[in-house]
Amino acid sequence: QITLKESGPTLVKPTQTLTLTCTFSGFSLTTTGVGVGWIRQPPGKTLEWLALIYWDDDERFSPSLKSRITVTKDTSKNQVVLTMTNMDPVDTATYFCVHYHASKWAYWGQGAQVTVSS
Amino acid sequence: DIQMTQSPSTLSASVGDRVTITCRASQSINSWLAWFQQKPGKAPKLLIYDASTLQSGVPSRFRGSGSGTEFTLTISDLQPDDFGTYYCQQYNYFYGFGQGTRVEMK
Repeated sequence: QITLKESGPTLVKPTQTLTLTCTFSGFSLTTTGVGVGWIRQPPGKTLEWLALIYWDDDERFSPSLKSRITVTKDTSKNQVVLTMTNMDPVDTATYFCVHYHASKWAYWGQGAQVTVSS
Repeated sequence: DIQMTQSPSTLSASVGDRVTITCRASQSINSWLAWFQQKPGKAPKLLIYDASTLQSGVPSRFRGSGSGTEFTLTISDLQPDDFGTYYCQQYNYFYGFGQGTRVEMK
């Protein structure tokens, strides 16, 4: 059974750096073809893909956010960490980590609500 | 960027109805399209991938079709659990979502 869970701060101040951790089980991020991605959703709005890290350490980032995002993985802990710099109120959203395989985003975490406010 | 446009934005329907949601891409995405269902306060659920392949465990009343730039999601015999918001997602070039279609009870 594949599960993912996001953890991190619920409130960050403008200009601060957001760090979110995705802890997963039921799969290995060393398995060929597997990845973990991040997708966010501002309140009342649609979904926005942010980043994807693959089993082989390859990474993909949203072009519009590439300069602000870092993704790292720790396969021994079954964790993926998203870091986003220079947070702004428009970054207020629910952040999801998602299991990726063969173009399918089939398993999602419950989401972590992040508010950016002073 | 590839823009994904869904229509309608909101759809009012009754249990038992057949409903169709359209998703248009700003350029060809072949069949690299998925459909998700989302309930309030929950994560999206994958329904269909590769435009027409039903994800395991998803009821057969959900059907996806299309290729190139125009795609449809059809729900036949709408059930109470089907009310929610539906999103299309292209994965031809990175990953982009439509703005969503809310299916509400008439």
